[in-house]
Amino acid sequence: DSGVTQTPKHLITATGQRVTLRCSPRSGDLSVYWYQQSLDQGLQFLIQYYNGEERAKGNILERFSAQQFPDLHSELNLSSLELGDSALYFCASSLQGTGGGYTFGSGTRLTVV
Amino acid sequence: GESVGLHLPTLSVQEGDNSIINCAYSNSASDYFIWYKQESGKGPQFIIDIRSNMDKRQGQRVTVLLNKTVKHLSLQIAATQPGDSAVYFCAEIFYGGSQGNLIFGKGTKLSVKP
Repeated sequence: DSGVTQTPKHLITATGQRVTLRCSPRSGDLSVYWYQQSLDQGLQFLIQYYNGEERAKGNILERFSAQQFPDLHSELNLSSLELGDSALYFCASSLQGTGGGYTFGSGTRLTVV
Repeated sequence: GESVGLHLPTLSVQEGDNSIINCAYSNSASDYFIWYKQESGKGPQFIIDIRSNMDKRQGQRVTVLLNKTVKHLSLQIAATQPGDSAVYFCAEIFYGGSQGNLIFGKGTKLSVKP
Protein backbone atom coordinates (compact mmCIF):
# COMPACT_ATOMS: atom_id res chain seq x y z
CA ASP A 1 0.00 0.00 0.00
CA SER A 2 1.55 3.26 -1.21
CA GLY A 3 -0.60 5.45 1.02
CA VAL A 4 -2.34 7.06 -1.96
CA THR A 5 -5.91 5.77 -2.27
CA GLN A 6 -7.90 5.88 -5.47
CA THR A 7 -11.53 4.92 -5.91
CA PRO A 8 -13.13 3.26 -7.67
CA LYS A 9 -10.66 0.70 -8.98
CA HIS A 10 -12.78 -0.06 -12.02
CA LEU A 11 -15.46 1.94 -13.76
CA ILE A 12 -17.50 1.04 -16.82
CA THR A 13 -19.75 3.68 -18.32
CA ALA A 14 -21.39 4.66 -21.59
CA THR A 15 -20.37 7.34 -24.03
CA GLY A 16 -21.70 10.75 -23.20
CA GLN A 17 -21.79 10.09 -19.48
CA ARG A 18 -19.93 11.83 -16.66
CA VAL A 19 -17.82 10.18 -13.96
CA THR A 20 -15.86 11.30 -10.94
CA LEU A 21 -12.61 9.70 -9.85
CA ARG A 22 -11.41 10.21 -6.32
CA CYS A 23 -7.95 10.38 -4.81
CA SER A 24 -6.83 10.62 -1.21
CA PRO A 25 -3.18 11.65 -0.99
CA ARG A 26 -0.60 10.16 1.34
CA SER A 27 -0.87 11.62 4.84
CA GLY A 28 0.97 14.93 5.02
CA ASP A 29 1.28 15.41 1.26
CA LEU A 30 -0.09 18.70 0.00
CA SER A 31 0.23 18.20 -3.72
CA VAL A 32 -1.90 15.95 -5.93
CA TYR A 33 -1.21 15.09 -9.56
CA TRP A 34 -3.44 13.34 -12.08
CA TYR A 35 -2.09 11.23 -14.93
CA GLN A 36 -3.78 9.36 -17.76
CA GLN A 37 -2.26 6.14 -19.07
CA SER A 38 -3.48 4.63 -22.30
CA LEU A 39 -1.89 1.88 -24.37
CA ASP A 40 -0.45 4.11 -27.03
CA GLN A 41 0.29 7.27 -25.05
CA GLY A 42 2.15 6.22 -21.95
CA LEU A 43 1.67 8.30 -18.79
CA GLN A 44 0.34 11.75 -19.65
CA PHE A 45 0.28 14.51 -17.06
CA LEU A 46 -3.16 16.08 -16.71
CA ILE A 47 -3.20 18.50 -13.80
CA GLN A 48 -1.64 19.33 -10.45
CA TYR A 49 -3.11 20.83 -7.29
CA TYR A 50 -1.17 22.14 -4.33
CA ASN A 51 -2.92 22.80 -1.03
CA GLY A 52 -6.25 23.35 -2.73
CA GLU A 53 -5.12 25.47 -5.64
CA GLU A 54 -4.39 24.54 -9.23
CA ARG A 55 -0.62 24.62 -9.75
CA ALA A 56 -0.03 23.29 -13.25
CA LYS A 57 -1.94 22.01 -16.22
CA GLY A 58 -0.85 19.49 -18.78
CA ASN A 59 -2.68 17.83 -21.62
CA ILE A 60 -6.08 17.97 -19.99
CA LEU A 61 -9.17 18.18 -22.18
CA GLU A 62 -11.77 20.87 -21.58
CA ARG A 63 -14.28 18.08 -20.86
CA PHE A 64 -12.15 17.15 -17.84
CA SER A 65 -11.85 19.12 -14.65
CA ALA A 66 -10.46 18.57 -11.20
CA GLN A 67 -10.41 20.07 -7.75
CA GLN A 68 -8.70 19.61 -4.43
CA PHE A 69 -10.75 19.95 -1.29
CA PRO A 70 -9.80 21.41 2.12
CA ASP A 71 -9.08 17.92 3.44
CA LEU A 72 -6.64 17.60 0.48
CA HIS A 73 -8.45 14.82 -1.31
CA SER A 74 -8.94 15.43 -5.01
CA GLU A 75 -11.54 14.56 -7.59
CA LEU A 76 -11.13 14.28 -11.34
CA ASN A 77 -14.35 14.85 -13.27
CA LEU A 78 -14.64 13.47 -16.77
CA SER A 79 -17.69 14.48 -18.80
CA SER A 80 -19.16 13.81 -22.25
CA LEU A 81 -17.13 10.65 -22.25
CA GLU A 82 -15.82 9.22 -25.49
CA LEU A 83 -14.47 5.77 -26.31
CA GLY A 84 -10.98 7.25 -26.46
CA ASP A 85 -11.18 8.28 -22.83
CA SER A 86 -10.86 4.65 -21.81
CA ALA A 87 -7.62 4.46 -19.89
CA LEU A 88 -6.00 4.05 -16.52
CA TYR A 89 -6.12 7.22 -14.45
CA PHE A 90 -3.47 7.59 -11.77
CA CYS A 91 -3.20 9.99 -8.93
CA ALA A 92 0.11 10.81 -7.27
CA SER A 93 0.92 12.92 -4.26
CA SER A 94 3.96 14.67 -2.90
CA LEU A 95 4.75 16.85 0.09
CA GLN A 96 5.95 19.86 -1.83
CA GLY A 97 4.52 21.55 -4.87
CA THR A 98 7.50 20.64 -6.99
CA GLY A 99 10.30 18.17 -6.87
CA GLY A 100 10.63 14.47 -6.36
CA GLY A 101 9.05 12.12 -3.94
CA TYR A 102 5.93 11.39 -5.97
CA THR A 103 3.89 8.46 -4.68
CA PHE A 104 1.36 6.89 -6.99
CA GLY A 105 -1.93 5.22 -6.24
CA SER A 106 -3.06 2.00 -7.88
CA GLY A 107 -5.19 3.77 -10.43
CA THR A 108 -8.75 3.71 -11.71
CA ARG A 109 -9.44 1.71 -14.84
CA LEU A 110 -12.09 3.56 -16.86
CA THR A 111 -13.81 1.74 -19.69
CA VAL A 112 -16.17 3.71 -21.90
CA VAL A 113 -18.51 1.55 -23.97
CA GLY B 1 -3.42 -8.05 -13.94
CA GLU B 2 -3.64 -5.66 -16.85
CA SER B 3 -1.11 -4.85 -19.48
CA VAL B 4 -0.03 -1.23 -19.33
CA GLY B 5 1.34 -1.11 -22.84
CA LEU B 6 1.34 -3.40 -25.85
CA HIS B 7 3.63 -1.30 -28.03
CA LEU B 8 6.62 -0.90 -25.76
CA PRO B 9 10.19 -1.87 -26.51
CA THR B 10 10.96 -5.11 -24.72
CA LEU B 11 14.14 -6.27 -23.05
CA SER B 12 14.41 -9.96 -22.32
CA VAL B 13 17.14 -11.16 -19.97
CA GLN B 14 18.10 -14.35 -18.20
CA GLU B 15 17.71 -14.51 -14.44
CA GLY B 16 20.98 -13.56 -12.80
CA ASP B 17 22.21 -11.43 -15.70
CA ASN B 18 22.53 -7.67 -15.53
CA SER B 19 19.94 -5.51 -17.27
CA ILE B 20 20.41 -2.11 -18.84
CA ILE B 21 17.38 -0.03 -19.71
CA ASN B 22 17.89 3.15 -21.68
CA CYS B 23 15.94 6.36 -21.97
CA ALA B 24 16.32 9.50 -24.03
CA TYR B 25 14.91 12.54 -22.30
CA SER B 26 13.62 15.65 -23.96
CA ASN B 27 14.43 18.73 -21.92
CA SER B 28 18.06 19.69 -21.55
CA ALA B 29 17.04 21.99 -18.69
CA SER B 30 15.44 19.24 -16.61
CA ASP B 31 16.63 19.32 -13.02
CA TYR B 32 15.87 15.86 -11.80
CA PHE B 33 15.40 12.38 -13.24
CA ILE B 34 13.56 9.41 -11.80
CA TRP B 35 13.13 5.76 -12.72
CA TYR B 36 9.82 4.09 -11.97
CA LYS B 37 8.80 0.45 -12.09
CA GLN B 38 5.25 -0.46 -12.98
CA GLU B 39 3.96 -3.96 -12.46
CA SER B 40 0.79 -5.15 -14.12
CA GLY B 41 -2.29 -3.67 -12.49
CA LYS B 42 -0.33 -1.34 -10.21
CA GLY B 43 0.77 2.26 -10.16
CA PRO B 44 4.34 3.38 -10.89
CA GLN B 45 6.73 2.68 -8.04
CA PHE B 46 9.81 4.82 -7.35
CA ILE B 47 13.13 3.04 -7.90
CA ILE B 48 15.89 5.61 -7.92
CA ASP B 49 16.47 9.24 -8.78
CA ILE B 50 19.35 11.47 -9.79
CA ARG B 51 19.86 15.19 -9.86
CA SER B 52 21.05 16.90 -13.02
CA ASN B 53 24.38 17.86 -11.42
CA MET B 54 25.32 14.21 -10.96
CA ASP B 55 26.26 11.58 -13.52
CA LYS B 56 25.89 8.41 -11.47
CA ARG B 57 23.96 7.21 -8.47
CA GLN B 58 23.78 3.77 -6.96
CA GLY B 59 21.09 2.08 -4.97
CA GLN B 60 20.47 -1.48 -3.93
CA ARG B 61 21.12 -3.56 -7.08
CA VAL B 62 20.35 -0.53 -9.25
CA THR B 63 22.51 2.19 -10.75
CA VAL B 64 21.36 5.21 -12.71
CA LEU B 65 23.68 6.91 -15.18
CA LEU B 66 23.04 10.34 -16.61
CA ASN B 67 24.72 11.68 -19.76
CA LYS B 68 23.58 15.24 -20.22
CA THR B 69 25.64 15.72 -23.37
CA VAL B 70 23.40 13.37 -25.31
CA LYS B 71 20.35 13.63 -23.02
CA HIS B 72 20.51 9.98 -22.12
CA LEU B 73 19.57 8.17 -18.95
CA SER B 74 20.10 4.52 -18.15
CA LEU B 75 19.06 2.13 -15.41
CA GLN B 76 21.27 -0.82 -14.62
CA ILE B 77 19.84 -3.69 -12.61
CA ALA B 78 22.37 -6.16 -11.23
CA ALA B 79 21.59 -9.87 -10.92
CA THR B 80 18.13 -9.49 -12.43
CA GLN B 81 15.41 -11.50 -10.73
CA PRO B 82 11.97 -12.67 -11.94
CA GLY B 83 10.42 -10.10 -9.60
CA ASP B 84 12.09 -7.38 -11.65
CA SER B 85 9.80 -8.16 -14.59
CA ALA B 86 7.77 -5.02 -15.16
CA VAL B 87 7.56 -1.91 -17.31
CA TYR B 88 10.21 0.68 -16.48
CA PHE B 89 9.67 4.37 -17.08
CA CYS B 90 12.10 7.20 -16.90
CA ALA B 91 10.72 10.58 -15.91
CA GLU B 92 12.15 14.08 -15.81
CA ILE B 93 11.33 17.10 -13.73
CA PHE B 94 11.82 20.69 -14.74
CA TYR B 95 11.26 22.89 -11.71
CA GLY B 96 10.68 26.02 -13.75
CA GLY B 97 8.05 24.58 -16.06
CA SER B 98 4.41 25.55 -16.10
CA GLN B 99 3.46 22.35 -17.87
CA GLY B 100 3.76 20.33 -14.71
CA ASN B 101 6.77 18.80 -13.15
CA LEU B 102 6.98 15.07 -13.79
CA ILE B 103 7.07 14.09 -17.45
CA PHE B 104 7.32 10.41 -18.33
CA GLY B 105 9.08 8.65 -21.17
CA LYS B 106 7.46 5.83 -23.15
CA GLY B 107 8.62 2.89 -21.05
CA THR B 108 10.46 -0.37 -21.58
CA LYS B 109 9.11 -3.77 -20.72
CA LEU B 110 11.61 -5.98 -18.91
CA SER B 111 11.01 -9.71 -19.11
CA VAL B 112 13.16 -11.98 -16.94
CA LYS B 113 13.48 -15.61 -17.97
CA PRO B 114 14.03 -18.11 -15.15
